[in-house]
Amino acid sequence: DQQVKQNSPSLSVQEGRISILNCDYTNSMFDYFLWYKKYPAEGPTFLISISSIKDKNEDGRFTVFLNKSAKHLSLHIVPSQPGDSAVYFCAASAYTGGGNKLTFGTGTQLKVEL
Amino acid sequence: ETGVTQSPTHLIKTRGQQVTLRCSSQSGHNTVSWYQQALGQGPQFIFQYYREEENGRGNFPPRFSGLQFPNYSSELNVNALELDDSALYLCASKLAGGRRGEQYFGPGTRLTVT
Repeated sequence: DQQVKQNSPSLSVQEGRISILNCDYTNSMFDYFLWYKKYPAEGPTFLISISSIKDKNEDGRFTVFLNKSAKHLSLHIVPSQPGDSAVYFCAASAYTGGGNKLTFGTGTQLKVEL
Repeated sequence: ETGVTQSPTHLIKTRGQQVTLRCSSQSGHNTVSWYQQALGQGPQFIFQYYREEENGRGNFPPRFSGLQFPNYSSELNVNALELDDSALYLCASKLAGGRRGEQYFGPGTRLTVT
């Protein structure tokens, strides 16, 4: 049962343009969402997060949008740079007291071309 | 560089054997989680330890067990290895009082079961 889905396994964007990565979830108990970035041979690194009480969070070139009614979130990268080429994982969390369990999607490979 | 290290980097075991994977995180990181990432999938939560006690578990059988030590190191033990246990195993630590969901991942241990 895939509770967090990233339906695009790959995305190719030109340098300087906008990259939009999408994520859908099914579990209504999720109340906190994150994006992680992963380079080859490295572990995922935290990028940006958003609480379910918000619909947008921005950090520099990265913005995450949350549409709770559609159970959909997206990550916008503007402008895209070659160093952004990586696998991006969407993750979700439901507060259970144990607090830190993350449910990940399958990832989207972003390639930013010159 | 997240400061989280894992050993060994790669490991080959035979079905039915037992394996111990190790993780070392940073001072102040009092929560550690272990994830299994199969090829083409996102990381899947195995369990979490907080102050040396398990306080959350995913859908993994009891032959997956762990330990957390006072020196911010931890272990993942897998008994009776099966072919489907072949995966990348990631450990992730969380800073006490840190942002919810923000975990620091190690580079992983690639386990191959033959």
